[in-house]
Amino acid sequence: QQPVQSPQAVILREGEDAVINCSSSKALYSVHWYRQKHGEAPVFLMILLKGGEQKGHEKISASFNEKKQQSSLYLTASQLSYSGTYFCGTETNDYKLSFGAGTTVTVRA
Amino acid sequence: DVKVTQSSRYLVKRTGEKVFLECVQDMDHENMFWYRQDPGLGLRLIYFSYDVKMKEKGDIPEGYSVSREKKERFSLILESASTNQTSMYLCASRTPGLGGYTFGSGTRLTVV
Repeated sequence: QQPVQSPQAVILREGEDAVINCSSSKALYSVHWYRQKHGEAPVFLMILLKGGEQKGHEKISASFNEKKQQSSLYLTASQLSYSGTYFCGTETNDYKLSFGAGTTVTVRA
Repeated sequence: DVKVTQSSRYLVKRTGEKVFLECVQDMDHENMFWYRQDPGLGLRLIYFSYDVKMKEKGDIPEGYSVSREKKERFSLILESASTNQTSMYLCASRTPGLGGYTFGSGTRLTVV
């Protein structure tokens, strides 16, 4: 079953912050985050393992709440290069990675 | 860096044709995957493979099959193409040790 992502879309000005949420009804082993720019393949950003960790990648960080089966991606001080569609992928113990429908982020100057 | 290569960027096929989509990775990864991507639906898992000659159904396997005769190559087969299989198809391989997925650039398949 696919995880649920919210919001579907967000528009930011450079320097603003945003949060993208991802939730699953299943017990999760890990959560992945990817970014896809128009016409390109999705690119891996980070993976979070169960245990409730938090990770960072430049000014993009994420958290994983294992008890709630939820993850959040934080875009801090957004840059034009952050524009794209962000997907969370949730992995259960059968090693299947299911993706959400995506969140389209538009950063404007 | 891992490179995942999909043989065709665009394909147009007729209804009822047998279609082969090829994917090759260059890092000896064991785990490989086929997804289809449709607007508003994200990426949906069709099939995946843990190793040569091993395959597992994903969430939407109906109408598809796969072949993995060599570790580096994972093929998706549409036995009898239908118009509802018009989509972007993405292949991926996984870095061992709980690593991320590396995707190919995709094949946009149109079935007419």
